[in-house]
Amino acid sequence: DAKTTQPPSMDCAEGRAANLPCNHSTISGNEYVYWYRQIHSQGPQYIIHGLKNNETNEMASLIITEDRKSSTLILPHATLRDTAVYYCIVRVDYNAGNMLTFGGGTRLMVKP
Amino acid sequence: SAVISQKPSRDICQRGTSLTIQCQVDSQVTMMFWYRQQPGQSLTLIATANQGSEATYESGFVIDKFPISRPNLTFSTLTVSNLSPEDSSIYLCSAGQVSPGSPEAFFGQGTRLTVV
Repeated sequence: DAKTTQPPSMDCAEGRAANLPCNHSTISGNEYVYWYRQIHSQGPQYIIHGLKNNETNEMASLIITEDRKSSTLILPHATLRDTAVYYCIVRVDYNAGNMLTFGGGTRLMVKP
Repeated sequence: SAVISQKPSRDICQRGTSLTIQCQVDSQVTMMFWYRQQPGQSLTLIATANQGSEATYESGFVIDKFPISRPNLTFSTLTVSNLSPEDSSIYLCSAGQVSPGSPEAFFGQGTRLTVV
């Protein structure tokens, strides 16, 4: 699976959009981009995933660049409950049992 | 979706002893995994728990130290043996392929182990 690079920490004002970047310059054509988050004292939670098209669900939007070498997770209206560590994960085949390789992630702090 | 329950949620153990962590999923799942999260660190995969056969361990993890059982499609245990302070971590159970083609992995709340 390709390696990802994320900033170690970010701040965001409550109510504003949080844009979390992820670099995956060695991504292969059949690799998906996944985002999970881990709120303090909880297990990780799935947010969204995509291959090459932009994706949106009730939690977030995922923007993948045309060359697929980077992506951005967007939380449109961040709340204090969105404070968490966000992990960007690239994996070959999401049917392969969903075994995940976690990097360092980005610690997002949403402030009042 | 799947709800994963882990027991115990936390424990304090003496060095040299063992702790067995239970993981119960509320539905039958194809894949179950065990992760370790050391203090302030990210998650590291320990092993894949295989139903009816020996677990598949990642590099750096061995069966003698982390024996795993998976008697059926909803339950697994992880034992951390011969405890030392370096084993103080959060241990998380995960379930994958909750339904065919499902992209999500689900996680338990974790077991916080402190070795004294």
